[in-house]
Amino acid sequence: AQKITQTQPGMFVQEKEAVTLDCTYDTSDQSYGLFWYKQPSSGEMIFLIYQGSYDEQNATEGRYSLNFQKARKSANLVISASQLGDSAMYFCAMRERSNPRNSGYSTLTFGKGTMLLVSP
Amino acid sequence: DAGVIQSPRHEVTEMGQEVTLRCKPISGHNSLFWYRQTMMRGLELLIYFNNNVPIDDSGMPEDRFSAKMPNASFSTLKIQPSEPRDSAVYFCASSPSSEQFFGPGTRLTVL
Repeated sequence: AQKITQTQPGMFVQEKEAVTLDCTYDTSDQSYGLFWYKQPSSGEMIFLIYQGSYDEQNATEGRYSLNFQKARKSANLVISASQLGDSAMYFCAMRERSNPRNSGYSTLTFGKGTMLLVSP
Repeated sequence: DAGVIQSPRHEVTEMGQEVTLRCKPISGHNSLFWYRQTMMRGLELLIYFNNNVPIDDSGMPEDRFSAKMPNASFSTLKIQPSEPRDSAVYFCASSPSSEQFFGPGTRLTVL
């Protein structure tokens, strides 16, 4: 089973509108972290926002917010007031403990990504 | 800070040749990760180091792949011999704790 599922291969939104990018995850860990990264056409991976599994409030970073619903195991990214520069690939990722034999160090598992296109 | 530095940015080589990708993590970050990104499989973790020690290399696809981190400021990923199916973008990332900071990637094409 996939650990991170992003069901939307592509999304279209008009400039200045809000958009929600879906992400569901699967883990048996009690402590984990959820991340969103942006990858524009230039290729670099840009960290956007982080949500810890024990965080009471949804994370926010400027125009980005994470709609964290723990019971549903979802961590959707909400971008408010879309801009043309938001057009990019967006990846959801989860940090959980790796194999205990590795002394508990944690790694990131990425979803397949959602391509967002913002039109004028 | 210059961020994570990777070299080369682009590499084109012929099947059978040895390829070495290089990474300089952000100073002070104690974890380093190597990823491979392809259209088919997305972003895959190959190996990661903590304090220069390889912690988990279960993502390394074959014995043709090897990675080293001789000190806190340098890591290499080597493919020997390279094959066309190794063509991908290879990212290095470093982390002080939770979030990872990615380098610009090396686009590898094996003909």
